[in-house]
Amino acid sequence: AQSVAQPEDQVNVAEGNPLTVKCTYSVSGNPYLFWYVQYPNRGLQFLLKYITGDNLVKGSYGFEAEFNKSQTSFHLKKPSALVSDSALYFCAVRDNFNKFYFGSGTKLNVKP
Amino acid sequence: NAGVTQTPKFRVLKTGQSMTLLCAQDMNHEYMYWYRQDPGMGLRLIHYSVGEGTTAKGEVPDGYNVSRLKKQNFLLGLESAAPSQTSVYFCASSYWVSGGPNEQFFGPGTRLTVL
Repeated sequence: AQSVAQPEDQVNVAEGNPLTVKCTYSVSGNPYLFWYVQYPNRGLQFLLKYITGDNLVKGSYGFEAEFNKSQTSFHLKKPSALVSDSALYFCAVRDNFNKFYFGSGTKLNVKP
Repeated sequence: NAGVTQTPKFRVLKTGQSMTLLCAQDMNHEYMYWYRQDPGMGLRLIHYSVGEGTTAKGEVPDGYNVSRLKKQNFLLGLESAAPSQTSVYFCASSYWVSGGPNEQFFGPGTRLTVL
């Protein structure tokens, strides 16, 4: 069965420090992986995706993610966190039947 | 472009009442999806559509029905609302790229409370 795990409910980081939000996945076939961000009382916004190619994917707002096939992981990273990055982050995987599966979300808190 | 819009934004129902949530997209996307978001559970797929006139079940379809009579609209119906359907509902659309749907564009959500 397809699934996504985000092992941390919350990640706390100081402004200016690097951040990592973890994601592991399980899917049949080639993985199509996505990260989204959700601000309070808003819909999800697309950040970046991995379809094929380079394992390091760059996206919006300075975020990047590293695809690791052997560890079935797709961790979200940013070299220097901003207070405005504080939000809820979701990892998602697409299966071969056009359906998407989302993780439970990780709340990122960036403190000044 | 308005992107993905949802109507209404808020609704309170009594148990047993029915209602329809409307999702509209102006991006000519083939794929459309309905999700519900509950605390600590992420987004769960209710129903989806891969094109006009087609629908399919997702993870949690019970108690919901959908229709996609026009490419730009995707309707979610609750025939007899239950308190367990209290949630925030999101609609999303996606375009086709070789292999299937690509990243999704989400609406602002509908907050539904069933008393």
